[in-house]
Amino acid sequence: LAKTTQPISMDSYEGQEVNITCSHNNIATNDYITWYQQFPSQGPRFIIQGYKTKVTNEVASLFIPADRKSSTLSLPRVSLSDTAVYYCLVGIYGNKLVFGAGTILRVKS
Amino acid sequence: GAGVSQSPSNKVTEKGKDVELRCDPISGHTALYWYRQRLGQGLEFLIYFQGNSAPDKSGLPSDRFSAERTGESVSTLTIQRTQQEDSAVYLCASSSTSGWDADTQYFGPGTRLTVL
Repeated sequence: LAKTTQPISMDSYEGQEVNITCSHNNIATNDYITWYQQFPSQGPRFIIQGYKTKVTNEVASLFIPADRKSSTLSLPRVSLSDTAVYYCLVGIYGNKLVFGAGTILRVKS
Repeated sequence: GAGVSQSPSNKVTEKGKDVELRCDPISGHTALYWYRQRLGQGLEFLIYFQGNSAPDKSGLPSDRFSAERTGESVSTLTIQRTQQEDSAVYLCASSSTSGWDADTQYFGPGTRLTVL
């Protein structure tokens, strides 16, 4: 399994754009990149998934450079309710995806 | 449709007792995961079931931990002779290996275990 490295924590203010970068230097050709969000006292929930270039949905954007050795989750105009832990996972369909330590995002008013 | 359910939601037990935690995955999901999450920490992988394949038990912390799964349905995580360090939230997730959301893990609400 590709090992991922994320910052332990980040602070931001309401209305700002937040970018969380995940490093995965030994990502395999068939691996996808997936991000999850976890609020206190809840299980993680899926945010976004991608393979290369850029993916955007109603919640976030995911930027993946050509070498795919890193990825950046972008949250536009965060609010207090975006305070959560964000996990980056790398893996292949049909195999287990395991969670790392995640990044604690604290949004302040 | 129904999501992943877990029971009990809370369990308080005495050190040395055995506990069983139950997970009902989403119908049709072939993959099932168990995780442990200690207070303020990330998820710790415990065990993974995929269809009829032998489970991946590489994350189980000791032989006091075991898990069973009946076909592609209910799973039970058993902790024998519980210790105080077993206190945590135990999360179950299931996923499909096909379709538009293949490999997306859907989590249950968790079981909060407290060992006194």
